[in-house]
Amino acid sequence: NAGVTQTPKFQVLKTGQSMTLQCAQDMNHNSMYWYRQDPGMGLRLIYYSASEGTTDKGEVPNGYNVSRLNKREFSLRLESAAPSQTSVYFCASRGELGQPFGGYTFGSGTRLTVV
Amino acid sequence: QQQVKQSPQSLIVQKGGISIINCAYENTAFDYFPWYQQFPGKGPALLIAIRPDVSEKKEGRFTISFNKSAKQFSLHIMDSQPGDSATYFCAASKGGGSQGNLIFGKGTKLSVKP
Repeated sequence: NAGVTQTPKFQVLKTGQSMTLQCAQDMNHNSMYWYRQDPGMGLRLIYYSASEGTTDKGEVPNGYNVSRLNKREFSLRLESAAPSQTSVYFCASRGELGQPFGGYTFGSGTRLTVV
Repeated sequence: QQQVKQSPQSLIVQKGGISIINCAYENTAFDYFPWYQQFPGKGPALLIAIRPDVSEKKEGRFTISFNKSAKQFSLHIMDSQPGDSATYFCAASKGGGSQGNLIFGKGTKLSVKP
């Protein structure tokens, strides 16, 4: 099925370890996003990429880096994980008007625990 | 600074009742207002969206009401069902939905009791 695929689905890291969260979309969308979701905090934008080759900081970028590898793939890297980065991470992509109605398509999430 | 304020944080409704979730925004440049539905363990999914040229949009049991002068919009779920139990997020952006980033509310956890 077309959509946004995130890997891994679950991950436990020790403080100070690094890891990369992978995201790929097959809908030919230009824009891609990384959000984190924490209880009572809603969805907070970490980084986004409006098009291949460009990335920009969102609301909570500290401690993260991203790479827009090509039009399909947008990865999120934690260089030195901290317990405060324990969260559920969602990747999303956006189509143009009518695909679907300007809305975002989200992946199923990566649940990350940093101990 | 939170640009989209959502209430209530949680809501319990009896089966068959009406669920109402409210959002208020600050930026008058916003012109695209979607609602997302999220089931446990899943990513949010677009439910319904509205642009400010209309005051109401209905899709099945779900209706968005929009009040431009008050800078408020709300989601009404008619004949609420246990299967509607989920977290709902309102959002807003500029550029009619094709530009700018969505600003999300903090979410409302809806529980529909049988």
